[in-house]
Amino acid sequence: SQQGEEDPQALSIQEGENATMNCSYKTSINNLQWYRQNSGRGLVHLILIRSNEREKHSGRLRVTLDTSKKSSSLLITASRAADTASYFCATGGGGSNYKLTFGKGTLLTVNP
Amino acid sequence: DAGVTQSPTHLIKTRGQHVTLRCSPISGHKSVSWYQQVLGQGPQFIFQYYEKEERGRGNFPDRFSARQFPNYSSELNVNALLLGDSALYLCASSPTASLTNEKLFFGSGTQLSVL
Repeated sequence: SQQGEEDPQALSIQEGENATMNCSYKTSINNLQWYRQNSGRGLVHLILIRSNEREKHSGRLRVTLDTSKKSSSLLITASRAADTASYFCATGGGGSNYKLTFGKGTLLTVNP
Repeated sequence: DAGVTQSPTHLIKTRGQHVTLRCSPISGHKSVSWYQQVLGQGPQFIFQYYEKEERGRGNFPDRFSARQFPNYSSELNVNALLLGDSALYLCASSPTASLTNEKLFFGSGTQLSVL
């Protein structure tokens, strides 16, 4: 079973707009990661946020984590056509450090 | 430095056959993990190997097996293929045994089609 659930399943925006994707999870975690996947190929790591952090930035990416609500959000600012991809959250912890559990992903389409 | 490499890129098999997928981690990485990704879903954890030992196994049948070699490369074997085994198989490497406390580096995957 997959712990993380992204919302929305699909998102279509215009270039220059901001894109926000949400992730909810069920059990306690050590940290939460976001990955990006282009056209069903390999995943690329975007950012890792630890359970004691509330917000983290990397370039145009902003990730928040609310452990009380068991949720995280990924904000991509000033989106570009090249940001078109699927975005997955992945959780680890809850007694296991060998298993990373991925959600079903959000398909982001950025229209030029 | 080369990234994670997987071979073959694509594979077509028929039901009941056996398949072997290969993965070479980034130089210096001792951990290799395998994931299955069915179309429209997120990756599902199959195995993790670290220093040639199995460290974790996901909820997959015994038809799935893996091993890691002294050079840290890895093979994933699937016996008695079923139609439902059709998926993208991803390999990821990392420097340490912990998959959850650091980022994973993924290969481009092997697309397996079972007819």
